[in-house]
Amino acid sequence: AQSVSQHNHHVILSEAASLELGCNYSYGGTVNLFWYVQYPGQHLQLLLKYFSGDPLVKGIKGFEAEFIKSKFSFNLRKPSVQWSDTAEYFCAVRNYNNNDMRFGAGTRLTVKP
Amino acid sequence: GAGVSQSPSNKVTEKGKDVELRCDPISGHTALYWYRQSLGQGLEFLIYFQGNSAPDKSGLPSDRFSAERTGGSVSTLTIQRTQQEDSAVYLCASSQGWGRDTEAFFGQGTRLTVV
Repeated sequence: AQSVSQHNHHVILSEAASLELGCNYSYGGTVNLFWYVQYPGQHLQLLLKYFSGDPLVKGIKGFEAEFIKSKFSFNLRKPSVQWSDTAEYFCAVRNYNNNDMRFGAGTRLTVKP
Repeated sequence: GAGVSQSPSNKVTEKGKDVELRCDPISGHTALYWYRQSLGQGLEFLIYFQGNSAPDKSGLPSDRFSAERTGGSVSTLTIQRTQQEDSAVYLCASSQGWGRDTEAFFGQGTRLTVV
């Protein structure tokens, strides 16, 4: 099964700083890629997804992610974070051919006002 | 219902007891996943079912854990002789079949507390 690596366990930023969270995966075949967010005390929400086409995908709340196939990466970015972005972020990779879906360990983002 | 439904939403059980957690996937979804989220931990894969294929049980942490999916729909995750380290939120998700672009939809989870 594919494995998913999120390199940053805890990121602390000040408001208006730029954000980039790394995600790499191990599977070489066709994949669907996702970022989920979990706000404190809440449940998982889909932030954005990549299926095919333009490798730069835009999600909710100003987030975007870029799929770089040659690097097996799907990094999440936001130009200017807000205090309300404080949450845990999970990268997920779905094997298109057998539906297996695995998650990274998550990155906790703390944004200081 | 329109979404993935899990029950119970909260379960407190005594150490050593067995528990059953239920997941009702979205109608027509052939894939069903179970994950576990412990305090301060990420999403740990437990098991997934894809149609009539044999489930991938590679994530089950011990033989006290088992899961079944009846009629390709409802799934039950059973934990026997619960231990305190089993305390976690158990999440279920479902999606459409392989060979197509699809996302997984999550239930609200069952918070299990073993005392």
